[in-house]
Amino acid sequence: DADVTQTPRNRITKTGKRIMLECSQTKGHDRMYWYRQDPGLGLQLIYYSFDVKDINKGEISDGYSVSRQAQAKFSLSLESAIPNQTALYFCATSEARDSPPREQFFGPGTRLTVL
Amino acid sequence: AQSVTQLGSHVSVSEGALVLLRCNYSSSVPPYLFWYVQYPNQGLQLLLKYTTGATLVKGINGFEAEFKKSETSFHLTKPSAHMSDAAEYFCAVSPFGNEKLTFGTGTRLTIIP
Repeated sequence: DADVTQTPRNRITKTGKRIMLECSQTKGHDRMYWYRQDPGLGLQLIYYSFDVKDINKGEISDGYSVSRQAQAKFSLSLESAIPNQTALYFCATSEARDSPPREQFFGPGTRLTVL
Repeated sequence: AQSVTQLGSHVSVSEGALVLLRCNYSSSVPPYLFWYVQYPNQGLQLLLKYTTGATLVKGINGFEAEFKKSETSFHLTKPSAHMSDAAEYFCAVSPFGNEKLTFGTGTRLTIIP
């Protein structure tokens, strides 16, 4: 979805490096999410945020941190990257004013490789 | 707690044939159910969702799914496959009133010309 953008789209880094993945959206949604996708495992929720001051851990938050800089921006950081964090990372958004269940809109993904 | 099981990580069908992708769920409370599709090198997009009411849900691109509470299933079907349907399909569950989605492991659909 062109309204949810992720940068970079591909990144190769080394073990121990700090890396930040960025997500921006122009949909005006207040809820944002970070997922990782591993082959054969589907998507797993890392962190989610219902507004700028509300950030929550998901299923697999260990080794990750997030920052919600503005309603439209939600960044995911790996403080010290390790090889098992190699995965495809997706950002998603949803609108609180929509009736549940709220559809989530996904960005195109960031492919991260940790050597 | 809730979970989703998708039977068959890979499914191949001939163009024009019936598509059937299976999804079974477990949930301690009434669930919301979703099917998402992921085309190559793209993010996920919503195909359809079940909330309450009618158990047969119609989605985009000719897909539909039927909620069967007695079988805890939400299988996805399409009467006639098209080459453009080749993608990975994910079933997901969200407990009633809860924002968090739990995804299945996905089914990769291949269409044989």
